[in-house]
Amino acid sequence: QVQLQESGPGLVKPSETLSLTCAVSGYSISSGYYWGWIRQSPGKGLEWIGSVYHNGNTYYNPSLRSRVTMSVDTSNNQFSLKMSSVTAADTAVYYCARPRIEAAGHYFDYWGQGTLVTVSS
Amino acid sequence: QSALTQPASVSGSPGQSVTISCTGTSSDVGGYNYVSWYQHHPGKAPKLMIYDVSERPSGVSNRFSGSKSGNTASLTISGLQAEDEADYYCSSYTRSTTSVFGGGTKLTVL
Repeated sequence: QVQLQESGPGLVKPSETLSLTCAVSGYSISSGYYWGWIRQSPGKGLEWIGSVYHNGNTYYNPSLRSRVTMSVDTSNNQFSLKMSSVTAADTAVYYCARPRIEAAGHYFDYWGQGTLVTVSS
Repeated sequence: QSALTQPASVSGSPGQSVTISCTGTSSDVGGYNYVSWYQHHPGKAPKLMIYDVSERPSGVSNRFSGSKSGNTASLTISGLQAEDEADYYCSSYTRSTTSVFGGGTKLTVL
C-alpha cells in the first residue's frame, strides 16, 4: 500500500519561501510515476500546484509556475515543493498526491493527510 | 471560486440514494472522460472513489457510481451508510493540461 506523508514548517513569513517534503512508503519513487502537490485554501476548493516525474522533469500549474520549484530525492524516497514570495493568499492545507497517466493527473490515486501552512508575520 | 461547481451540501437517510453533481465546461468535464471523485473525512487523506467518469478502484464499494452528461458529471451513492458522511470533491482534466477541482459537497447522513 502506497502511503504519503507531508512535513514542513506550519508557519511561514510573508515574502519568504515555503518548503515542504512528502515522504513516500510502499513504493520506490525512482521506479516511476509522477508525484504531485495540491492545496486547499480556507473556504476555497482544491488547486493542483504541479507535479514532478521520477526522473526529475517538472510540470507546474501556469498560475503558480513563476514561484514554484519541485524536485525528487530518490535516495530518501521523497519529493519536495518550494514556493517563493509567499503571501497570505498562500495559506492553505497542502497535500501531496500521486497523479496518474499525465502530470496534471487524469486522477490522483494516493494522497497524504495534508499539512496546514499559515503565512503570517 | 472553484473551476467546477458542486452543491455545497446534500443529505439523505440511511438506505437512500443521493446524487452529487459537478458542472464544468466543454474545456474540462465535457471535453474529456477524465472525471474523478474523492471522499474526504476531515483530518484524513482524501480517497479516490471514481476515476475516468465511472470506473471504481479496487476496494471501493459498488454503492458508489459515476456518470456524465454533457458538461455535468454525477456521483451517486446508493444504500447510504453512516460511514459515507464526508466531503466529496470532483476533479477533471482540462484542455490546458491541468486539473481542476470542485468546491466540495458535504454529505450528511440523517
